Amino acid sequence: DVKVTQSSRYLVKRTGEKVFLECVQDMDHENMFWYRQDPGLGLRLIYFSYDVKMKEKGDIPEGYSVSREKKERFSLILESASTNQTSMYLCASKPLQGAYNEQFFGPGTRLTVL
Amino acid sequence: AQSVTQLDSQVPVFEEAPVELRCNYSSSVSVYLFWYVQYPNQGLQLLLKYLSGSTLVKGINGFEAEFNKSQTSFHLRKPSVHISDTAEYFCAVIRGGAQKLVFGQGTRLTINP
Repeated sequence: DVKVTQSSRYLVKRTGEKVFLECVQDMDHENMFWYRQDPGLGLRLIYFSYDVKMKEKGDIPEGYSVSREKKERFSLILESASTNQTSMYLCASKPLQGAYNEQFFGPGTRLTVL
Repeated sequence: AQSVTQLDSQVPVFEEAPVELRCNYSSSVSVYLFWYVQYPNQGLQLLLKYLSGSTLVKGINGFEAEFNKSQTSFHLRKPSVHISDTAEYFCAVIRGGAQKLVFGQGTRLTINP
């Protein structure tokens, strides 16, 4: 059974803290993605990576960075958390080849920044 | 740039009634279309996808969707819903050769007994 796991289901942090969200996939997928999900806005892409140490900005990269040191792991970093980053964060992975391949999603991390 | 519009943010229906969730997309090139479902407190999972061929696509849990190129629509349907279909549904589109999926705003389907 394919799996994408995220390090925390719920996280509460304070404004200004550095926050790490971890995502691990066991499918040997090249592509990994970080989205944030907000009511009425759907899913918006923050960053994605198509290989180790490679990354590309998505639609809303401001205030975020990412790290991909190993193929199976993709980390999202909030350098200095702010209240407007309170959201649900979803990680996904898919094979590199084939835009038609589905993305596999993790269960999400609900982050609250106080 | 591609965009996806889900015309209804919330759809309440009674159990065993039919339902249609509407999705329109904008693209001047060939695209692949997807419907994902998110059950409460879970991530998204694929419901169905259209790649090519027959315009009527069948998915899991009795859902189906019809691709209409002239109207640039990909509406999701189920003839008889169950309480367990309560979830949020997302339409998504990707251009061939691209890596980024573009999602709609989501439609929250609520089933009343």
